[in-house]
Amino acid sequence: DAGITQSPRHKVTETGTPVTLRCHQTENHRYMYWYRQDPGHGLRLIHYSYGVKDTDKGEVSDGYSVSRSKTEDFLLTLESATSSQTSVYFCAISRGQGGETQYFGPGTRLLVL
Amino acid sequence: QQQVKQSPQSLIVQKGGIPIINCAYENTAFDYFPWYQQFPGKGPALLIAIRPDVSEKKEGRFTISFNKSAKQFSLHIMDSQPGDSATYFCAASISNYQLIWGAGTKLIIKP
Repeated sequence: DAGITQSPRHKVTETGTPVTLRCHQTENHRYMYWYRQDPGHGLRLIHYSYGVKDTDKGEVSDGYSVSRSKTEDFLLTLESATSSQTSVYFCAISRGQGGETQYFGPGTRLLVL
Repeated sequence: QQQVKQSPQSLIVQKGGIPIINCAYENTAFDYFPWYQQFPGKGPALLIAIRPDVSEKKEGRFTISFNKSAKQFSLHIMDSQPGDSATYFCAASISNYQLIWGAGTKLIIKP
């Protein structure tokens, strides 16, 4: 257990509303990631962070923003949710610098109506 | 060049058989190749990983075969069990912190 929690675990929202997902870790890992998982696409990186206030874009970052004001928390915000953002969102952590293994949270299932 | 192509998409094997999942890549700068296992409703978890300086790595019933010249690597599951039924993902990395993922293989082991 890598001490990762995600909240909420399930969410239903309407098109056009902002949504924030939270990832919390208890082990002070440097790297944190947000992925989305969709059938046929595997895992696609949205954004990642390599330290407090240090973030960068992944391959599918359009429509998403992130913030990391504390080591333990990494927030993913959908600025204005669209139906194409219906997905399962996973947070992951890694130590970095030789610790390539990524440990995943339990996921958040998001439905945008 | 950043892609990792995984096949097959799905696989059904009888208990005791040896399912084989294949991945291919183009970028020769990749230096770390993990396999992850995901059960329904859970996040992926590291199963086994290999670096390009070895051709094979075995952990329990799981084996990675790596062919550097062909830019391919594969996962073999010996004496497969119904409990191995899951989705398997290969991935590759050229840094310590970012993975490029295959699309996944849904494996079903029939009793």
